[in-house]
Amino acid sequence: RKEVEQDPGPFNVPEGATVAFNCTYSNSASQSFFWYRQDCRKEPKLLMSVYSSGNEDGRFTAQLNRASQYISLLIRDSKLSDSATYLCVAAKAAGNKLTFGGGTRVLVKP
Amino acid sequence: DTEVTQTPKHLVMGMTNKKSLKCEQHMGHRAMYWYKQKAKKPPELMFVYSYEKLSINESVPSRFSPECPNSSLLNLHLHALQPEDSALYLCASSQAQGQATYGYTFGSGTRLTVV
Repeated sequence: RKEVEQDPGPFNVPEGATVAFNCTYSNSASQSFFWYRQDCRKEPKLLMSVYSSGNEDGRFTAQLNRASQYISLLIRDSKLSDSATYLCVAAKAAGNKLTFGGGTRVLVKP
Repeated sequence: DTEVTQTPKHLVMGMTNKKSLKCEQHMGHRAMYWYKQKAKKPPELMFVYSYEKLSINESVPSRFSPECPNSSLLNLHLHALQPEDSALYLCASSQAQGQATYGYTFGSGTRLTVV
């Protein structure tokens, strides 16, 4: 079983709609979580960190559920420019590395 | 513009060549990383340097040799690579290894093709 798992998609989303997708992690020692966005043939870019209380950044909302070991990302009012692969990332305590999920592809269409 | 600069952006090399990838950051980060990413796959960690010392080698073949000359620079020396080593090589940095609270910053990568 992969340590961080994501639905690969693609999620085909009409422009202006809301889309949400989850990521599950298997290692309960994971402490920090992030969503990265990666455009085709580009580097991953940090979208947002994910906190237990949930956090929002504009049209993006991230939630962490430690009991069920999943995190989620919700995108409201989808824009064409939101089309990308969204990578879920988990990090354990000090001294350890980031573990990436396989990514969820989102395609926003007019 | 990314704050982690990688050169070259593209590299084509033969299996007998020796080449180097370079990475530079001026954010005062003390941890630097090399990742390898194949098409439609997530990045895979290769090496971690923490305070200029190699702290993690993810069982990478010896044809890849990392070097950290100072806190701002990270090199990846390549020798006798195979075609299957063709990939996007990403450098990243963070405030310190394990202090992932603020995430890692990635460079734009070097797209390597081995022929």
